[in-house]
Amino acid sequence: GAGVSQSPRYKVAKRGQDVALRCDPISGHVSLFWYQQALGQGPEFLTYFQNEAQLDKSGLPSDRFFAERPEGSVSTLKIQRTQQEDSAVYLCASSSGRHGYTFGSGTRLTVV
Amino acid sequence: QQQVKQSPQSLIVQKGGISIINCAYENTAFDYFPWYQQFPGKGPALLIAIRPDVSEKKEGRFTISFNKSAKQFSLHIMDSQPGDSATYFCAASINTNAGKSTFGDGTTLTVKP
Repeated sequence: GAGVSQSPRYKVAKRGQDVALRCDPISGHVSLFWYQQALGQGPEFLTYFQNEAQLDKSGLPSDRFFAERPEGSVSTLKIQRTQQEDSAVYLCASSSGRHGYTFGSGTRLTVV
Repeated sequence: QQQVKQSPQSLIVQKGGISIINCAYENTAFDYFPWYQQFPGKGPALLIAIRPDVSEKKEGRFTISFNKSAKQFSLHIMDSQPGDSATYFCAASINTNAGKSTFGDGTTLTVKP
């Protein structure tokens, strides 16, 4: 596709519910990143894939967060047993490796 | 420990004026410094970027000035327009090949007509 596509755009989850957020990167982009953006703050790194390999997951805040990219294209960020502090915008970005990122519009997660 | 500090938090400029946003970093291993522009409800969009082997880069109305010894870099927006009103983020990464980036907290720019 022409850009990075994320779905859903908005998600409301009850505390304790599991959620799955999807990212379709730009076709051919090897690198894929997930970031978390709290209101009024800059994006915070969560995890990084190069093709299907998860090379860095140092930013995942707890073991309730899990990301995968099984075929090296589409990626899913899963959050188990959601908590209120998980409420944020989750941004996916892809890169060809030569320039900066192309971000998607994000998924706004609200945990109630 | 915040590795990239951005200022000011908000900025109001008259149309036609110059907008200046500053960032300071701590990690000397950073070697790629992009600026992103974000509109409400959208993801950040890459505006301009610089590597530490040059002191300035200009693209249209946007200029990055880079001071390696001071570990500082800034974004200058010349002839600011109301359409430039957005949140701007500086960032820094260690690997120019799309390594993970550390972002500043953002500057909300308002350009008054």
